[in-house]
Amino acid sequence: NAGVTQTPKFQVLKTGQSMTLQCAQDMNHNSMYWYRQDPGMGLRLIYYSASEGTTDKGEVPNGYNVSRLNKREFSLRLESAAPSQTSVYFCASSEMGLAGNEQFFGPGTRLTVL
Amino acid sequence: TQLLEQSPQFLSIQEGENLTVYCNSSSVFSSLQWYRQEPGEGPVLLVTVVTGGEVKKLKRLTFQFGDARKDSSLHITAAQPGDTGLYLCAGTYYYGNNRLAFGKGNQVVVIP
Repeated sequence: NAGVTQTPKFQVLKTGQSMTLQCAQDMNHNSMYWYRQDPGMGLRLIYYSASEGTTDKGEVPNGYNVSRLNKREFSLRLESAAPSQTSVYFCASSEMGLAGNEQFFGPGTRLTVL
Repeated sequence: TQLLEQSPQFLSIQEGENLTVYCNSSSVFSSLQWYRQEPGEGPVLLVTVVTGGEVKKLKRLTFQFGDARKDSSLHITAAQPGDTGLYLCAGTYYYGNNRLAFGKGNQVVVIP
């Protein structure tokens, strides 16, 4: 099992360009998440999808859109990139159970916006 | 406002020493998890604690959930360089909630 995979691993954009970050999981989890991680700020939730067909905003959704393509895939789109969106982006998936919301993370996408 | 406060933010120790890091909140959590993140990688789940007062051991790592389910600690015995990493605690507000509240992490460096 690959777990959670993310593409690309690295990306450099110019201000105003658009791009889509891809995420896929093979654990048959219902819930998927997008986070960004910045120095001194910790992990912040951008958007999440509790189940296929639903998406909800997290703490920092402005400037982003998401699509839950199917149960496996959850993409994050930056329509017009800004330098403030320079960050490391992590996708995660989980299945709620008695142990709560144990999340499994991908390796991350390192994005620089010039 | 950070829901989960982790302390100390940074800790550097010699190989073989013991260490304890803390995760505190004024909120009650239905469960709490600890993750470890190494440079250039995503966080990896270490343990979940669910019951107030619960203690779990993972080799040289001991995790404790506070009686009131508001705080947790991670103790490492005889630390090794492989324990180096960012330790993140994360809590579920209430059962059935799909969101986790993350602390900012405890950066641990173990010097050989």
